[in-house]
Amino acid sequence: DAGVTQSPTHLIKTRGQQVTLRCSPKSGHDTVSWYQQALGQGPQFIFQYYEEEERQRGNFPDRFSGHQFPNYSSELNVNALLLGDSALYLCASSLWGDQANYGYTFGSGTRLTVV
Amino acid sequence: QKEVEQDPGPLSVPEGAIVSLNCTYSNSAFQYFMWYRQYSRKGPELLMYTYSSGNKEDGRFTAQVDKSSKYISLFIRDSQPSDSATYLCAITGGGNKLTFGTGTQLKVEL
Repeated sequence: DAGVTQSPTHLIKTRGQQVTLRCSPKSGHDTVSWYQQALGQGPQFIFQYYEEEERQRGNFPDRFSGHQFPNYSSELNVNALLLGDSALYLCASSLWGDQANYGYTFGSGTRLTVV
Repeated sequence: QKEVEQDPGPLSVPEGAIVSLNCTYSNSAFQYFMWYRQYSRKGPELLMYTYSSGNKEDGRFTAQVDKSSKYISLFIRDSQPSDSATYLCAITGGGNKLTFGTGTQLKVEL
């Protein structure tokens, strides 16, 4: 099954450190979006990448940055980690221009704990 | 006011019951409406997608949209213990970001 793959599954970091999360989209998808899901909350949109460019960004500080590679995979980087960055980080892939028809496929997420 | 409001529950029902889950939204520009199911420690899984006002049925699931009231619902018939999960409504204006509700935690008991 060529679904959305995220790594690592769990991560513990110290305040002030930097972290990189990785995502491989579903086969055939070319667009990657990142979401942050705090405990007991719905996912919050961080940003979306298509053709290696950030296409839209949610209300997140510049400490959150990303990248998309030519093979459509993506990385999410968070600098100067805060305790409040502890959350489940979800990657969602889709086909550009067709999201409304087929929705987004989510990965299982990376659980980040900042101590 | 949040763009999408959803009762977080938890909601507990007996097996076989009809479950009604609801969201309200504030932005009339929203055009596409989705329901996701999220099991513990997993990512959200798309259950239903609808565009227009009215009903859409898929097996035991029915999604209902009332754009005039800015109200969306998901009905689950003959609920099963395997339906126990968090149900998230998600709405988009078309194309890019999804705006999610907080999710409703559902438990179906034997």
